Amino acid sequence: GESVGLHLPTLSVQEGDNSIINCAYSNSASDYFIWYKQESGKGPQFIIDIRSNMDKRQGQRVTVLLNKTVKHLSLQIAATQPGDSAVYFCAENMNAGGTSYGKLTFGQGTILTVHP
Amino acid sequence: NAGVTQTPKFQVLKTGQSMTLQCAQDMNHEYMSWYRQDPGMGLRLIHYSVGAGITDQGEVPNGYNVSRSTTEDFPLRLLSAAPSQTSVYFCASSPDLDGYTFGSGTRLTVV
Repeated sequence: GESVGLHLPTLSVQEGDNSIINCAYSNSASDYFIWYKQESGKGPQFIIDIRSNMDKRQGQRVTVLLNKTVKHLSLQIAATQPGDSAVYFCAENMNAGGTSYGKLTFGQGTILTVHP
Repeated sequence: NAGVTQTPKFQVLKTGQSMTLQCAQDMNHEYMSWYRQDPGMGLRLIHYSVGAGITDQGEVPNGYNVSRSTTEDFPLRLLSAAPSQTSVYFCASSPDLDGYTFGSGTRLTVV
């Protein structure tokens, strides 16, 4: 079956550095992608999303890039802070005529550790 | 708004026992889902609903039942708990394709 996966399971950075977390997806029909942050003992928290008709989307300190040619998604965090330490998941959703809402497929996650 | 509320937060069951994990949202979202998260893994979809009275299976539905009698509530039932169902369970809701909101999770241990 098709799935979403992550290249790097762990990432350690120094405070103030920029972080890049990568994600590969294999379902070419996926048209909506989300990045979630999950802190220990908590549920996933929405960070940023992007639709398949876009290549880039920016939020506050975060940017998501989508490369449909190679089916690759990345999350860039600018000026990473210790509070950014968490597990980051990418997720995809395939809009099959409106019947797939609520059906997210998650990657395994990347552990981001930010050192002061 | 309370968002997505899950109860209980922790539960220990004996093998063969049954229980219901509760999920409620006060955002009038049509779409609700249940996921399980095992150690070191991403979330896997158990069941989902696109509206009251409509449910469907996800990736790992075996051993779980759901119903959606109201927009607000989406309970997950374990009919006969097994140790393989030890996991953290998350409920999520969404108004449409965007804006999935997750609850804080229920940590279930089956002994």
